[in-house]
Amino acid sequence: DGGITQSPKYLFRKEGQNVTLSCEQNLNHDAMYWYRQDPGQGLRLIYYSQIVNDFQKGDIAEGYSVSREKKESFPLTVTSAQKNPTAFYLCASSPLGGPQHFGDGTRLSIL
Amino acid sequence: QKEVEQNSGPLSVPEGAIASLNCTYSDRGSQSFFWYRQYSGKSPELIMFIYSNGDKEDGRFTAQLNKASQYVSLLIRDSQPSDSATYLCASWAGSARQLTFGSGTQLTVLP
Repeated sequence: DGGITQSPKYLFRKEGQNVTLSCEQNLNHDAMYWYRQDPGQGLRLIYYSQIVNDFQKGDIAEGYSVSREKKESFPLTVTSAQKNPTAFYLCASSPLGGPQHFGDGTRLSIL
Repeated sequence: QKEVEQNSGPLSVPEGAIASLNCTYSDRGSQSFFWYRQYSGKSPELIMFIYSNGDKEDGRFTAQLNKASQYVSLLIRDSQPSDSATYLCASWAGSARQLTFGSGTQLTVLP
């Protein structure tokens, strides 16, 4: 089945630690996106990529990093510089200009 | 800044009634519009998209677009308790490289 796979479903971060969230898609979509959602809030764009080896900052990129070495994969690293990382992280993919489809999300919490 | 505005609600309707969800957008260059449903604790799920002025129907759902008024709506006929969720509106302008999301409208369908 085609889809977007995010892992892990739950993740805990210690102070000063970097953690990486995985996102893989087999929909052959060119574009991939990372969003952050806080309780009761809308989606905020962290980073997006429309082509391999290229990505752009979204509205809240500080404290995060990404890579796009393969079309299928767009991992997000939450660095220790992100002081308030507790949130629901959503990865999405789309054909260029088309509707975005979301993975099931990763919930990140601070230990 | 290009924006998509939604009434945050909550909007309550009785079971069997028509629920009307509204969205306005500021970017006149917006070409495509998307409606997502998000259940509490889950990721957004694409319901419908619309490109042309007028109505587009899919089962109990109808999307309406009026580009002159910069207005998009989603009608849900014969509302069911299972329709209780947050509904996100998003737009895409040809010049943009990502969707612009509204903050969502929370809908509750009362049995």
